Amino acid sequence: DIQMTQSPSTLSASVGDRVTITCRASQNIYGWLAWYQQKPGKAPKLLIYKASSLESGVPARFSGSGSETEFTLTISSLQPDDFATYYCHQYNTDWWTFGQGTKVDI
Amino acid sequence: QLQLVQSGAEVRKPGSSVKVSCKTSGVTFNTFVFSWVRQAPGQGLEWMGRLIPISTAPVYAQKLQGRVTLTADKSTKTAYMELRDLRYDDTAVYYCAGVSNPTVYWGQGTLVTVSS
Repeated sequence: DIQMTQSPSTLSASVGDRVTITCRASQNIYGWLAWYQQKPGKAPKLLIYKASSLESGVPARFSGSGSETEFTLTISSLQPDDFATYYCHQYNTDWWTFGQGTKVDI
Repeated sequence: QLQLVQSGAEVRKPGSSVKVSCKTSGVTFNTFVFSWVRQAPGQGLEWMGRLIPISTAPVYAQKLQGRVTLTADKSTKTAYMELRDLRYDDTAVYYCAGVSNPTVYWGQGTLVTVSS
């Protein structure tokens, strides 16, 4: 299985901060990586697919980058609605794997 | 537009079974790769297995092998996940999902509570 290592596990930030979350794959996933935002009691919300493509309707302050085994999610200016847990997800193989999650709080 | 709509919440006793459905629209059903993912309370996302309706046997996560069965009904374009011999730690939200390149689609989730 492809292991996904996400860091940090928690992140304290303030409104207006630039936030970066990193995900490392144990082998090349050819850019087949998604990022999700999840709030308590809700389904994961897709933010980014194919490593850097912004899902329709997602604010432009979210961006994804990376290739092969190293990927990042960046929030350019953190807004109050962005305090949530974020997950990376590789779908290069049918055996999906997920990062452990990053909780972004105040 | 591609949509995955799941069945409603379920409560089951330990040792029993549950079957969750995932009705699709806007997909090429037979070749769509259905994955099932679950999330226990306060935990991360756990992949359970995948099924391609037209293809060979489903593939299951080793942890659930022998207790989970994925099936599909082509006539109703619905995928199913059955989990048997339920335990308290099977309490989770269960999601169906799939890839229509290049993006990923998810159902809304089904809460399964295992309680005596």
